[in-house]
Amino acid sequence: QKEVEQNSGPLSVPEGAIASLNCTYSDRVSQSFFWYRQYSGKSPELIMSIYSNGDKEDGRFTAQLNKASQYVSLLIRDSQPSDSATYLCAVKLARNTDKLIFGTGTRLQVFP
Amino acid sequence: NAGVTQTPKFQVLKTGQSMTLQCAQDMNHNSMYWYRQDPGMGLRLIYYSASEGTTDKGEVPNGYNVSRLNKREFSLRLESAAPSQTSVYFCASSFSTGQGTETQYFGPGTRLLVL
Repeated sequence: QKEVEQNSGPLSVPEGAIASLNCTYSDRVSQSFFWYRQYSGKSPELIMSIYSNGDKEDGRFTAQLNKASQYVSLLIRDSQPSDSATYLCAVKLARNTDKLIFGTGTRLQVFP
Repeated sequence: NAGVTQTPKFQVLKTGQSMTLQCAQDMNHNSMYWYRQDPGMGLRLIYYSASEGTTDKGEVPNGYNVSRLNKREFSLRLESAAPSQTSVYFCASSFSTGQGTETQYFGPGTRLLVL
């Protein structure tokens, strides 16, 4: 079993809709969770980080964490064509110090 | 403030050739990382360095060596390139506090093709 799993997509949503991106992880003691956005041919950039159970909102983005279910999600409200990118989930495992484990990413397509 | 810079941006090698990928950061970060990204595989950690003078293996270290020259620079060396090392290589850095809240900042990447 992969340590961090994401559906590769593509996830296609119409402009203005809510895009829901999901990520599961295997290590119960994982403590920190990150969502990165990567445009084609570019480097990853951090969108959200979350460390506690519940929701964390930042503009149109909401990260949701459920440690009991080992599940973290990213909601993008009012999706725009400019949100079309690959979204990478990353998990910091408690047994490591600084290392992140990345999922393979979900490709999001927002069509007008 | 350039953030994380990488050189070269693109490189073509023949099997068996060697090369060094350079990475530098100007954010006074203590931790630096080298990843490779392949289609369908996501980002995989090759090596990382928690501080100047220390390095540690990641998930896929075979065929690579690293050197943390100083706090700013972290280089990745391929001693004898193989076609399996064709990939996009990203360097990243972070300021580690031990609290688990560190953000990793990525360089623009180096696209390597080994023939």
